[in-house]
Amino acid sequence: DIQMTQSPSSLSASVGDRVTITCQASQDISNHLNWYLQKPGKAPKVLIYDASTLETGVPSRFSGSGSGTDFAFTISSLQPEDIATFYCQQYDHLPLTFGGGTKVEIK
Amino acid sequence: EVQLVESGGGLVKPGGSLRLSCADSGFTLRNYSMNWVRQAPGKGLEWVSSISSSNTYIYYADSVKGRFTISRDNAKNSLYLQMNSLRAEDTAVYYCARGRGTVEYCTSTSCYTLPRYFDYWGQGTLVTVSS
Repeated sequence: DIQMTQSPSSLSASVGDRVTITCQASQDISNHLNWYLQKPGKAPKVLIYDASTLETGVPSRFSGSGSGTDFAFTISSLQPEDIATFYCQQYDHLPLTFGGGTKVEIK
Repeated sequence: EVQLVESGGGLVKPGGSLRLSCADSGFTLRNYSMNWVRQAPGKGLEWVSSISSSNTYIYYADSVKGRFTISRDNAKNSLYLQMNSLRAEDTAVYYCARGRGTVEYCTSTSCYTLPRYFDYWGQGTLVTVSS
């Protein structure tokens, strides 16, 4: 199975800060990586697919980059409504696997 | 408006069975792969199963293979997950999710068609396995 390692597992930042989360795959997955946001008690929502493509309707402060084994997800200016847990997910091989999640809080 | 609504969760004893349903509206079900993803209390997301738009491809996580069965009824706009021989570790919120796009990869023996990403999710239904 492809292991997805996210870091950090949690972070606290101020409104307006630039926030970056990384995700490392245990083997080359090309650009077959998605990023999801999950607010407490809610279903996940896709933000980025194919490592760097912004899903329709998602604010442009969210972005993704990377290929191969190393990926990054960035919030250019953290907003109060971004309090959530963020997950990466690979779709290169079965089983589909998610990272452990990064919980983002406002300082 | 696309909507996915899960039902069928509840409390069941170890070894018991449950059938989850996902009622879909706002889109033509037969055009999309469909998926189940679960989340144990306080834990991360775990993919469970996928079924292609034409029922040609069905995949399961090893943790549920042989115990769970995914199916769909396009005429009824519904997705199902039959869960048998339930264990305590199956306790989770179960989400149905629509697959958007596909990618294919091949090993030396087989080829697989996977959903590119999950673009719509239901609100989830809680399954608790406990005596």
